[in-house]
Parts: sequence; C-alpha cells; structure tokens
Amino acid sequence: ELKVEQNPLFLSMQEGKNYTIYCNYSTTSDRLYWYRQDPGKSLESLFVLLSNGAVKQEGRLMASLDTKARLSTLHITAAVHDLSATYFCAVDKQGGSEKLVFGKGTKLTVNP
Amino acid sequence: GAVVSQHPSRVICKSGTSVKIECRSLDFQATTMFWYRQFPKQSLMLMATSNEGSKATYEQGVEKDKFLINHASLTLSTLTVTSAHPEDSSFYICSARVQDSGNTIYFGEGSWLTVV
Repeated sequence: ELKVEQNPLFLSMQEGKNYTIYCNYSTTSDRLYWYRQDPGKSLESLFVLLSNGAVKQEGRLMASLDTKARLSTLHITAAVHDLSATYFCAVDKQGGSEKLVFGKGTKLTVNP
Repeated sequence: GAVVSQHPSRVICKSGTSVKIECRSLDFQATTMFWYRQFPKQSLMLMATSNEGSKATYEQGVEKDKFLINHASLTLSTLTVTSAHPEDSSFYICSARVQDSGNTIYFGEGSWLTVV
C-alpha cells in the first residue's frame, strides 16, 4: 500500500527566510504532484514532477523529485506572507492512474 | 479560470435525506473523474473513480450504496450522498486531468456538505 509522508506538518517562518518541505513515499512511482490549499478552498496545482531528477520552479517555490530515494522536496526561497497556506504532495497510486494518494499536508505560516 | 467546476459549493441537508453534488469539466472531455473527501484540517482521501458510461470503482472502505456516482456524459459526474448522516459532513472535491495539460490534474472548487 502506498504511503506518503510529509514533514514538517506545521511550519512557522519569518519573511525572507528559506525552508524546505519534504515528501517521502513508500512505493515506486514516477508521478508526483504538489498542491496549495488556502483555508476553505480547493487545491491549486503547483507542480507536476514526472521523472527522476525533475526540477521545476515558479516564483519563490522550487520542487524536485528523486525517484530512487522516493523523495520530493518543495523549497521556499525568501518567504513572503502570501505563501501562507497548506501544501500537499500527492503521488500517483499506479503510474498514470490519476488516482492520487496525498500526504497529510504542511501548514505554512509566514510571519512578517 | 477553473477547468473543473463543482456545484453546489455549500449545501446543508437534514439527516436521512440525499444530496447531489455535480462535477463538470469545462471545455474538455473527461472520461474519468475522481471523487475525494476531506475532513476539516485533514488530508484528502480518494473515494472513487467515476467512469463515463460504466460503473464507478470505489476505494476500499467506501460504501458504494451510500455514495452513488453517475458519469452520464463526458463532461459531468455526480456524487449523491444517500441517507446522509452528520458524520458524512465533509468537503467533497472532484478531479480530472486535461489530456493536453502536461499531466496536470485539476481539482474542482469543492463542495462543503453539512448534515444536520
């Protein structure tokens, strides 16, 4: 059974600082997704990582995938308050099935 | 703009009644859609796969007779919560993949269900 673990689950950081969220998963998969969720809202797609070594960047966020280590990271550079949200990683249950298994989420709070 | 749309965004129903939630793909056809539920401050759990023109497939532990899924067209899937109970109160979200989107899976806006 595929398990997806994120850490930390809660992250409080100051504006301008850098930090990394980690996503480990238990079985082989080559499709990993990162989403952002604001309170009371649905999911906003951030990144889709489809191969070992994939790296994608958008603004202050950068995501990477190491399929051999079964690890993805979401790196936050020079955080700003607007990045406060909950971030989920999700792994495709059976390569290309589109069925996603989600991590528990990381609630990020960026303080002024 | 949204590529997957859900309706209603919020619904309150009485215990024992049924409620229907719609999920529509906008400007694309979706032969497969997925339904998730999310309890407050928790993660998303896949409930079922909605297949156009055939029966839905349910994840282990999800009651198919309670959560009826119909995917009658290439742009619409519906989830009906039958004989709702307060413990069914949750955020229900559907997803679909745009075929030419670079494998991005989009989620609908979600539907908050409160059973009183």
